[in-house]
Amino acid sequence: SQKIEQNSEALNIQEGKTATLTCNYTNYSPAYLQWYRQDPGRGPVFLLLIRENEKEKRKERLKVTFDTTLKQSLFHITASQPADSATYLCALGNTGGFKTIFGAGTRLFVKA
Amino acid sequence: SQTIHQWPATLVQPVGSPLSLECTVEGTSNPNLYWYRQAAGRGLQLLFYSVGIGQISSEVPQNLSASRPQDRQFILSSKKLLLSDSGFYLCAWSVDLNIQYFGAGTRLSVL
Repeated sequence: SQKIEQNSEALNIQEGKTATLTCNYTNYSPAYLQWYRQDPGRGPVFLLLIRENEKEKRKERLKVTFDTTLKQSLFHITASQPADSATYLCALGNTGGFKTIFGAGTRLFVKA
Repeated sequence: SQTIHQWPATLVQPVGSPLSLECTVEGTSNPNLYWYRQAAGRGLQLLFYSVGIGQISSEVPQNLSASRPQDRQFILSSKKLLLSDSGFYLCAWSVDLNIQYFGAGTRLSVL
């Protein structure tokens, strides 16, 4: 069955450093991959989408890579700030389908 | 701009009681609508999705049901709640590339 793996251990980094989160998947060939941010007690918020034919996508301090050979996406936050502390979810989907499959997320703590 | 409303924010219900959670979307037409449940520290579990009025697809056999009486209204229901129905329920809509736009969520506690 389709499986998405995100590091279940929280990631603790110092303010100003680059945070790197990993998303691995198996038994799936997604047309695109999405990243969401979720704060405690709130619904996830869409951040970025990267398609299977794209290697990298950037948005302000965020960068996402997508390696369909390794079946892996990396999510980078540069110059991290305490306000970046949240859980980040990876999600996969295919064009023509209606479902998006979510990972369990990785909790990020940025210390001042 | 598009907005999604989900209520109530929190709900405490006794076992065996009925449930009705409502979600409405504004500012878009014919969206795909979704109900998810999220257990503590777990990923989002897709419960139901709908691509049109009266069209409901169920992903997980369970004690819950969904209905879409209007284009931008999605309702999650149960006739008799179980303890295992406790969790964080999220409604979402999408149009392009299944990018999900979520409501604020309902924290349901079944006691």
